[in-house]
Amino acid sequence: DARVTQTPRHKVTEMGQEVTMRCQPILGHNTVFWYRQTMMQGLELLAYFRNRAPLDDSGMPKDRFSAEMPDATLATLKIQPSEPRDSAVYFCASGLPPGPYGYTFGSGTRLTVV
Amino acid sequence: DQQVKQNSPSLSVQEGRISILNCDYTNSMFDYFLWYKKYPAEGPTFLISISSIKDKNEDGRFTVFLNKSAKHLSLHIVPSQPGDSAVYFCAAIITGGGNKLTFGTGTQLKVEL
Repeated sequence: DARVTQTPRHKVTEMGQEVTMRCQPILGHNTVFWYRQTMMQGLELLAYFRNRAPLDDSGMPKDRFSAEMPDATLATLKIQPSEPRDSAVYFCASGLPPGPYGYTFGSGTRLTVV
Repeated sequence: DQQVKQNSPSLSVQEGRISILNCDYTNSMFDYFLWYKKYPAEGPTFLISISSIKDKNEDGRFTVFLNKSAKHLSLHIVPSQPGDSAVYFCAAIITGGGNKLTFGTGTQLKVEL
């Protein structure tokens, strides 16, 4: 089965440190999303890319978050500096619209900022 | 501004009975709707979807109903099984508008023996 791979699965870091999360989308998928799951907001969209170009990053705090796709096999989400309120599970998903819209999610990175 | 809402944070159902999960949306531009299931420590997995040109879609034990005039959709699971216990997320898309998923806050379903 093709899958979206996210690393690391868990990350504990101190406030102020830089955090980088990585995602390997499914080969051939041209759209990559970053979502964050929190208790209050559910799954909120942070940013997404089509053919490696950023389409929308309005959900992302611009002063500390950045998202990139250096190549078709890698998407990164970086937080610098990290804060305790960034603690959440971060999911990457990929898909190939306008085909089936059931995008495939990775298993997530659980981030804890202390 | 929560454009997709799941007003029931949790639902408990007995095994073999019907589970009905509800979802409301506010943006009339949404034209495609999906349900995802999520187990702890895993990513959401796609379950079933429906286009706005339909009012029902069925896949095995799962049926999604769409009422466009009420901006409401529901997921029916019949019969419910213990393995269905998970968090269910409703999501909506504006096709041609970037195709990004807008999610609800989820409903925790517990199917009891």
